[in-house]
Amino acid sequence: EAGVAQSPRYKIIEKRQSVAFWCNPISGHATLYWYQQILGQGPKLLIQFQNNGVVDDSQLPKDRFSAERLKGVDSTLKIQPAKLEDSAVYLCASSLSGQGPYEQYFGPGTRLTVT
Amino acid sequence: AQSVSQHNHHVILSEAASLELGCNYSYGGTVNLFWYVQYPGQHLQLLLKYFSGDPLVKGIKGFEAEFIKSKFSFNLRKPSVQWSDTAEYFCAVNADNYGQNFVFGPGTRLSVLP
Repeated sequence: EAGVAQSPRYKIIEKRQSVAFWCNPISGHATLYWYQQILGQGPKLLIQFQNNGVVDDSQLPKDRFSAERLKGVDSTLKIQPAKLEDSAVYLCASSLSGQGPYEQYFGPGTRLTVT
Repeated sequence: AQSVSQHNHHVILSEAASLELGCNYSYGGTVNLFWYVQYPGQHLQLLLKYFSGDPLVKGIKGFEAEFIKSKFSFNLRKPSVQWSDTAEYFCAVNADNYGQNFVFGPGTRLSVLP
């Protein structure tokens, strides 16, 4: 079974530039999550999708971050414009959905450095 | 809002020593509890989980955790650590049954000396 795929693995940009990250979840997983993990901290949930609908985006900085999952499969997370404090690893995870707390499967992450 | 705390930022042990990593959460209702591990250079992966039933749960690689509802705790244990257990350990809480509201703790870095 293929795992969660993410690209790129690393990205370096200057502040005020824009950047996009891509995630392809495990086949059949209806729920997709984006997390931000700042160095030395645990992952923080940014947004959760159920198929192509948003379930929770309460911690997404909507003035600069956006995410979509148009066909209910892969997803894109965008930052525009980036700030220095956005430097972090951006993790994508997926899980089965429906009632029940299913295990999340994580991708390798994208390490973003904003200079 | 719920929160998760982990008692230790960095734990250093010698091989064969016993391990206990603390995790406490703040939420008064029904919770689902997880321990994830991140080995150097690898993805986050699930060690074990608690949903209901026996509060002592066993996971992979000899790890176990005990849910103590009255203490809002879910501590991770292993009787004898190995060098290969060197990793970052994260406790996570999910406070509903629809997979929403996942909150991770800040993590504990475990270094096992050979």
